[in-house]
Amino acid sequence: KAGVTQTPRYLIKTRGQQVTLSCSPISGHRSVSWYQQTPGQGLQFLFEYFSETQRNKGNFPGRFSGRQFSNSRSEMNVSTLELGDSALYLCASSHGQNNSPLHFGNGTRLTVT
Amino acid sequence: QKEVEQDPGPLSVPEGAIVSLNCTYSNSAFQYFMWYRQYSRKGPELLMYTYSSGNKEDGRFTAQVDKSSKYISLFIRDSQPSDSATYLCAMSPAGGTSYGKLTFGQGTILTVHP
Repeated sequence: KAGVTQTPRYLIKTRGQQVTLSCSPISGHRSVSWYQQTPGQGLQFLFEYFSETQRNKGNFPGRFSGRQFSNSRSEMNVSTLELGDSALYLCASSHGQNNSPLHFGNGTRLTVT
Repeated sequence: QKEVEQDPGPLSVPEGAIVSLNCTYSNSAFQYFMWYRQYSRKGPELLMYTYSSGNKEDGRFTAQVDKSSKYISLFIRDSQPSDSATYLCAMSPAGGTSYGKLTFGQGTILTVHP
């Protein structure tokens, strides 16, 4: 079974631009979660989608948004990029029920210059 | 104070050693506990997933949970150089994993040298 796939692997953007990251979950998984990983803050939860609806949200500004499509694939968008947005963005998928565990992709490394 | 505390290390051990990794937590609502392994330039890989207090074994790995002390551990027996990675503990309240939100420790960097 294929794992969680994230594209692209690396991105370099300029401050003020916007960026869209993509995530394809494990087949059969309906929940997709997004995390930001930085050396200083570690892994922090951004939001979770299940059946195209955002069910849960972390403490990030509104510049961070996402969506989920009917095939469970998800995208995350960051607008008006800031230098502090440089991070590894991780996507995780799960069945989204009964406390099923999360499985992570290899992430998108975003660098904002 | 962070909800989950994990010693960042780094931890360096010789091949074949028993490794002990630990996390403490303050939120008594946490009911589900996980250990992830993260290699450089890769995403976290789920190693162990437990609910109840006690031990759970999987090959060379043993996860231990003590809810009364709010303390979890991961033991690695017969450690190998391929175990060199960052180990992350993660936890959630009941229902929490269903909604995608885990609270992670900072991660412990482990190096196993031949």
